[in-house]
Amino acid sequence: GQQLNQSPQSMFIQEGEDVSMNCTSSSIFNTWLWYKQDPGEGPVLLIALYKAGELTSNGRLTAQFGITRKDSFLNISASIPSDVGIYFCAGYSGTYKYIFGTGTRLKVLA
Amino acid sequence: DAGITQSPRHKVTETGTPVTLRCHQTENHRYMYWYRQDPGHGLRLIHYSYGVKDTDKGEVSDGYSVSRSKTEDFLLTLESATSSQTSVYFCAISESNIARKYSNQPQHFGDGTRLSIL
Repeated sequence: GQQLNQSPQSMFIQEGEDVSMNCTSSSIFNTWLWYKQDPGEGPVLLIALYKAGELTSNGRLTAQFGITRKDSFLNISASIPSDVGIYFCAGYSGTYKYIFGTGTRLKVLA
Repeated sequence: DAGITQSPRHKVTETGTPVTLRCHQTENHRYMYWYRQDPGHGLRLIHYSYGVKDTDKGEVSDGYSVSRSKTEDFLLTLESATSSQTSVYFCAISESNIARKYSNQPQHFGDGTRLSIL
C-alpha cells in the first residue's frame, strides 16, 4: 500500500534553534496535513496544504506543499520546550483516505 | 478543541472477549473514522463512515466491525479480542460540503482509547 516516509525519525535540538522535517512519498497527493501529538493525547492539526507549491504559516510553524506533489516540509522557528512531541504528516490522494507518516519525535533541550 | 469524546479512555480485557469502543461527536460532521496507532506504524485506518449507516473498510479492518446508527456516534467492536489488537485507538471526524464517499477535509482527533488485551 501507499507509504509516507518521514525524516528524521527523531531529533534533539537546543531551545531557540530552527527545526526542519519532511515527508516524502512515491505517490502524488493533492492534500497534505501536518499534526502534532503530545503524550496521552490525540493528534492536533497544525497546518493544511491544498495546492502544489503552497507555503502556509501558523505562528512559528511554516509548511510547504512540494511542487512535485510527492513531498511536504515543516519548519519550526526558534523552538521552545513546548514544541516537544511527535509530528505527523498525512497525505490525501483522492482515491483513498489519508495516509499517515510514522512521525518525527522532537525533543528540545533547554 | 473539536467536540469528540472517546470512551472508555482505558480498558484491559482478556483474549476472546467482545469489546466495544465508542466515539461521540458534537460537531454534526458527516465523516467519522477509527484508527489504531502502534509503534513503527503510525496511524492506520480501520473503518470509516461517510454517513449514518454508511461505512467502509480501511486498511486493517480484519477482526473489527463498526456501526453508525446516528450522526453523533460511531462504534468500533472487536467481536473476539486478540492480543494483536492491543493498541491505542483514535476516532477522528471531518466535514465536507459535498456529499460523497471520500473527503479531503482535515480530520480532527479524539484523545484515544488505550486498549490492552491479555
